[in-house]
Amino acid sequence: AQKVTQAQTEISVVEKEDVTLDCVYETRDTTYYLFWYKQPPSGELVFLIRRNSFDEQNEISGRYSWNFQKSTSSFNFTITASQVVDSAVYFCALRSSGGYQKVTFGIGTKLQVIP
Amino acid sequence: ETGVTQTPRHLVMGMTNKKSLKCEQHLGHNAMYWYKQSAKKPLELMFVYSLEERVENNSVPSRFSPECPNSSHLFLHLHTLQPEDSALYLCASSLGGHEQFFGPGTRLTVL
Repeated sequence: AQKVTQAQTEISVVEKEDVTLDCVYETRDTTYYLFWYKQPPSGELVFLIRRNSFDEQNEISGRYSWNFQKSTSSFNFTITASQVVDSAVYFCALRSSGGYQKVTFGIGTKLQVIP
Repeated sequence: ETGVTQTPRHLVMGMTNKKSLKCEQHLGHNAMYWYKQSAKKPLELMFVYSLEERVENNSVPSRFSPECPNSSHLFLHLHTLQPEDSALYLCASSLGGHEQFFGPGTRLTVL
């Protein structure tokens, strides 16, 4: 069975602080994909990144960076110099290679950036 | 219009009503999904359609009936719902099984 754990349910930071959102996953598959999505108050989930299980290279996109470590089954997301517009719920998700149906989302981390 | 659209954005219905949620994608994707999002719970995958064929039905009650007439449109027909069905219903699409693009959702309230 697959599982995605986002242990932080809510985080509050002051604007310009850095913040890391944790994601730990469980799967028996050797090939899988990890995702991060952002859900602002408007409700629409926005795709941020996809990572393949065979590519552990970390990625940086502007103020966003992702740290994928297979040894600890973690795929953490860091926002540098946070801004009020970063306030949202962030979801980590896992999909195995076995088909469409095996997409498992974490419960989400609500991030509040205070001006 | 681009992306994934959903109508209506808000819906209030009684337990004996029949209504439908509509989803449309303009991304050329070949898979579409319905999710239910309730407070304090992970996203629940309800149905998956690939090339207009249903490939997944996650033990969803029969009072929810999906329909996918073509690769761009997806419906969720609702009848005799229960108050616990009140939630945000999200539609998504993807190319193959990769990252999904979501619509804004329909906020459903069942009285």
